[in-house]
Amino acid sequence: EVQLLESGGGFVQPGGSLRLSCTASRFIFSRYAMSWVRQAPGKGLEWVSSIRGSGTTTYYADSVKGRFTISRDNSKNTLYLQMNSLRVEDTAVYYCAKEVADAGGWYVDYWGQGTLVTVSS
Amino acid sequence: DIQMTQSPSSLSASVGDRVTITCRASQGISNYLAWYQQKPGKGPKLLIYGASTLQSGVPSRFSGSGSGTDFTLTISSLQTEDVATYYCQKYNSAPLTFGGGTKVEMK
Repeated sequence: EVQLLESGGGFVQPGGSLRLSCTASRFIFSRYAMSWVRQAPGKGLEWVSSIRGSGTTTYYADSVKGRFTISRDNSKNTLYLQMNSLRVEDTAVYYCAKEVADAGGWYVDYWGQGTLVTVSS
Repeated sequence: DIQMTQSPSSLSASVGDRVTITCRASQGISNYLAWYQQKPGKGPKLLIYGASTLQSGVPSRFSGSGSGTDFTLTISSLQTEDVATYYCQKYNSAPLTFGGGTKVEMK
């Protein structure tokens, strides 16, 4: 079965930076779009960013645009999220997710277990 | 951007009950709608995509319906293992917005 393993979470002060990684296995990584989705403590799911299989097309939520950068290294089967200018409201569990195409749209069919990012002074 | 509104935000039901959760899009999204189940401390799990197609391995007591702006997730006979929070998500285009979630508890 598909495996997605996030890493890189931790504690950071407001204004700081952090890079999350997601190592994928048991599927052909380069063929699939990938996403990051986050969940603040006790809150619902919030889509953060997506990237197509080639890495050339990316999408961002307005809440992170200009501060976060999604990227991927298909040779390493790894997805990244570079997070800069972090804010207290970015505190959340960040999930890596694999997307699958459905007639023009892309939905998530597998999720990782998440990595916690805490932004606090 | 299209907003996704789920109702109710929580519900309590007994084993064997029929449970219905609704999701409304602020604009039409055809059938680009997925439903996910999330148990505490775990990543979400895909239940339904294309508004009504059951993901492989998901019990047949789960079903989805709707198109355009109004969608429904139904659990035909609630089981104890179905206690979880359920989310809808539209995926026709970015942003891939989620509904606010429905927490299902056992009465």
